[in-house]
This record gives sequence, structure tokens and C-alpha cells, in this order.
Amino acid sequence: SQKIEQNSEALNIQEGKTATLTCNYTNYSPAYLQWYRQDPGRGPVFLLLIRENEKEKRKERLKVTFDTTLKQSLFHITASQPADSATYLCALEEAAGNKLTFGGGTRVLVKP
Amino acid sequence: SQTIHQWPATLVQPVGSPLSLECTVEGTSNPNLYWYRQAAGRGLQLLFYSVGIGQISSEVPQNLSASRPQDRQFILSSKKLLLSDSGFYLCAWSAGTGDEKLFFGSGTQLSVL
Repeated sequence: SQKIEQNSEALNIQEGKTATLTCNYTNYSPAYLQWYRQDPGRGPVFLLLIRENEKEKRKERLKVTFDTTLKQSLFHITASQPADSATYLCALEEAAGNKLTFGGGTRVLVKP
Repeated sequence: SQTIHQWPATLVQPVGSPLSLECTVEGTSNPNLYWYRQAAGRGLQLLFYSVGIGQISSEVPQNLSASRPQDRQFILSSKKLLLSDSGFYLCAWSAGTGDEKLFFGSGTQLSVL
């Protein structure tokens, strides 16, 4: 069966350190992989999209890698700040689809 | 610029009552539209998506239905709510151009009692 797995345990990290989140998938052939941020009681907000032929994407303090051999994406927040505290969701779109499938999300708590 | 409106923000309904949640998008034409549900502490579950007026695809069999009466209007309905329908409902749109970033509404927290 198809699965998208993110670490369900919260990630507690000290301000200024790098937070690294993982997204593993099975039985998918994604054309795109995306990362979203969700604050409590709010809708997710798009952060980054990486295509199957891209290895790495950066946006400000965020970096995403995509390894289609390992079937894994890593999401890094460098120089983390308390304002980065939120739940981060990965999502896949298969080449033939019009829809995104989301992982369960990982909550990040950055402590000052 | 594009905006998405979703209402109401919170809703408390008794079991067996009907439901109607509405979502509208402004500033874009022919968007793909989506309804997701998120249970407490869980990921997003795709319920319905639409690529055009009157075109609805259902992902999960259930007592919910969706309609798209206008290009930028998406409605989620139920004739009789169940306790298990409680959750956070999110409407979203994408451009439908193959680069499918989703833009979400602010969500409706539905409690069925």
C-alpha cells in the first residue's frame, strides 16, 4: 500500500540550531514533493516544491533535498528561531494525478 | 491577487443534522478545488477534488458530498452528520497548470455532538 511517513514525535530544538525533518514514502512515483507549514487552527501554507529531477532546493533558511532512490526527502531549517515552531507537512503529487497526498506532519518546537 | 474564503470558522452541529460548508476563490479562473479533512493531531485526508464546474472526484466513500455550481465556488455537504464527521475541514485551490501548489483557506472546525 502507499504510505507517506513523517516522524510523529515532536522535534524539540534549541534556537540557532538546524532542524532536520524526514519524509519517507513507499509505492509512489512522485513528480513533485512539497513542504508546507501549518500553525495551530490554521490552514497549511506552501513553503517549497522540489521536482523529481532536482536534488536540492533552497529558500532563505530552508533547504529541501529529494532522493528518489531512497524515496526520501529531508527538510532543513537552519539558524532556527522560535517563530519557526509549527507543524511541517510533506506532500506528494504523482505524475498522472491532480491531487496532493499529505504525510501526517512533524511538529517542531524551537526553544529560546 | 488570489484569495480564498471559507466559512464558517467554527460549527457545532448535532448528530443527524445537515451540513453545508462553502468555499470561494477570487482572482483566478478555472482553478482546481479541493476539500480536505484533518482529524486532531493527524494529517490531511483528501475528500473531494474538482477540475471544473460540475466535475467532482471523491476520494473517500462516506456520507459527505461536494458540488461545484460555479467556477470558483466549492460546497461540502451532508444530509445527516455522524459523530465521526467531526474535524477540521480545509478548502484549497491550485492553478491546475501541473505545478500543483495548494493554497488553503482558513478552515472550519466542525464538532458533531
